[in-house]
Amino acid sequence: QLQLQESGPGLVKPSETLSLRCSVSGDSISSGTYYWGWIRQPPGKGLEWIGNIYHSGSTYYNPSLKSRVTMSVDTSKNQFSLKLNSVTAADTAVYYCARRALLGGHYFDYWGQGTLVTVSS
Amino acid sequence: QPVLTQSSSASASLGSSVKLTCTLTSGHNTFIIAWYQQQPGKAPRYLMKLEGSGNYNKGSGVPDRFSGSSSGADRYLTISNLQSEDEADYYCETWDSNTHVLFGGGTRLTVL
Repeated sequence: QLQLQESGPGLVKPSETLSLRCSVSGDSISSGTYYWGWIRQPPGKGLEWIGNIYHSGSTYYNPSLKSRVTMSVDTSKNQFSLKLNSVTAADTAVYYCARRALLGGHYFDYWGQGTLVTVSS
Repeated sequence: QPVLTQSSSASASLGSSVKLTCTLTSGHNTFIIAWYQQQPGKAPRYLMKLEGSGNYNKGSGVPDRFSGSSSGADRYLTISNLQSEDEADYYCETWDSNTHVLFGGGTRLTVL
């Protein structure tokens, strides 16, 4: 059974960099038929896509966040990561990592449990 | 690029059926979407992918009570025999030509 687990600091100061990691078990991140993505959800609000990464390192970012986002993948550890710089209170959210299926349509078929990141001094 | 519009809320009685709507912007009638369910305090769960033809494929373990259909730019999620655990937020999602992902605003379903 595929499992994804987010990890990282739960509190980040304004103007600093938010860093999260997603550990994948039950499947190889090098599988060619999936992207690996990050999605966030501010408290009480809807879902916002942050970006996707392929095992080759190709990335696709939300245009509204592109200038501040960097995603990377470590196939040797079966992990992928998110960095969001220059954070403000508006970046406070639950951050989810997920697997994005590519065959027969694109959709996030497996999700991590999510991790709350609060931006505050 | 497409935009997905969902009603903010819906309600239906226990044991009844409800049909939730996700509307694509004009010109995107053929787009495939995905439906997700998010129960309170939980991560979203993939329910199904739904084509413009009305064909749909459900995720593993999704009950038979959940079905999908389409009409033009509208994509529907129908839940039959509503259960208390169906009270949740429901999101639709698609992607554009640049593989950017777009979510609808979500519909909060209340089971009366």
